[in-house]
Amino acid sequence: QQQVKQSPQSLIVQKGGISIINCAYENTAFDYFPWYQQFPGKGPALLIAIRPDVSEKKEGRFTISFNKSAKQFSLHIMDSQPGDSATYFCAANAGNMLTFGGGTRLMVKP
Amino acid sequence: KAGVTQTPRYLIKTRGQQVTLSCSPISGHRSVSWYQQTPGQGLQFLFEYFSETQRNKGNFPGRFSGRQFSNSRSEMNVSTLELGDSALYLCASSLWNKNTEAFFGQGTRLTVV
Repeated sequence: QQQVKQSPQSLIVQKGGISIINCAYENTAFDYFPWYQQFPGKGPALLIAIRPDVSEKKEGRFTISFNKSAKQFSLHIMDSQPGDSATYFCAANAGNMLTFGGGTRLMVKP
Repeated sequence: KAGVTQTPRYLIKTRGQQVTLSCSPISGHRSVSWYQQTPGQGLQFLFEYFSETQRNKGNFPGRFSGRQFSNSRSEMNVSTLELGDSALYLCASSLWNKNTEAFFGQGTRLTVV
């Protein structure tokens, strides 16, 4: 049972554009929401994370928006660069167990 | 500060064999979790260890087991390998308290033939 639904599965954005990835969860016990970036042949790398008492968090070009009532959160990548081309995973934590979304393969065209 | 180290990076095993994978967490991290990544099922939680005790377990058969040593290093074992066990096995380490960032290693790519 997939408890974290991620969309879209793939995304193509022009260089300089905004990439937006969305996730929705069901389990209200989740209390920490990280995003990971994964390049081929590498393990997932922590990008940015948010706790449910915060509605938005920004780190550089990356912003998480969190809507607790809707049980949704999203990642915005501003000024997307070709080097951002990777697979992105949202995740939700409960009791030190991460439940991952299905992943979004992002391609940023030069 | 060294990251999470997983060994070996690649393994090829035959059906029915068993395999042991190793993970050395970031210095000072006491929680170690294991995940399986496949194209079909994505990233799935296997188990989590803290202070040599398994605190959480995912929905995997008993063929999958693990342990943690007093220095926080962890191993996972898969017995009676099946073709479907072919996957990238990832280890993540974090500090002892809940809801802190989990950092992943590069993984061990297991191929079962």
